Amino acid sequence: EDKVVQSPLSLVVHEGDTVTLNCSYEVTNFRSLLWYKQEKKAPTFLFMLTSSGIEKKSGRLSSILDKKELFSILNITATQTGDSAVYLCAVVISGYALNFGKGTSLLVTP
Amino acid sequence: KAGVTQTPRYLIKTRGQQVTLSCSPISGHRSVSWYQQTPGQGLQFLFEYFSETQRNKGNFPGRFSGRQFSNSRSEMNVSTLELGDSALYLCASSLVVGGSEQFFGPGTRLTVL
Repeated sequence: EDKVVQSPLSLVVHEGDTVTLNCSYEVTNFRSLLWYKQEKKAPTFLFMLTSSGIEKKSGRLSSILDKKELFSILNITATQTGDSAVYLCAVVISGYALNFGKGTSLLVTP
Repeated sequence: KAGVTQTPRYLIKTRGQQVTLSCSPISGHRSVSWYQQTPGQGLQFLFEYFSETQRNKGNFPGRFSGRQFSNSRSEMNVSTLELGDSALYLCASSLVVGGSEQFFGPGTRLTVL
């Protein structure tokens, strides 16, 4: 059975802190891994990762994939209150189904 | 460019009824995927349509079905509603099939009483 596990489930940090969110997976026929941010609405796309070791970066957010160890991390530096959200990881498998993890709920306090 | 739109935004039904939800993708996008989101199970993939054909299907019973029209608009139907079908139903569109960058609509909140 395909599994996508995110950790931690929830996290509370102070503004300015750096956080690392984890996503590990056990799937057959891996194609790619996606990160999304969900506030009180629909998820918004952050990154798509297909190759190991290549960091994707967007402002204070960055992500990297390790296909040998079957995990990805999402880093957020200098966190701001606007980063508070649920961060979702999804793995695309052969046949193009997306398997989502349960998400990490991040709260950034002032 | 207009985003993904879903109608209705909120819906209340009773057990045993059926419901049809609609999704209009971003102009030019030909792939539409449907997801169910609940607090307990998180986001779960229902199915994906591309060029009016179902290309992939998640692990949901046959009561959940969908279709896509020639203009890429998609509908999802749930028959014989159960209490457990109460959820946020999200649709997402992308240019091509296959788990590429997807743009989500605001969702339809379905409550089954």
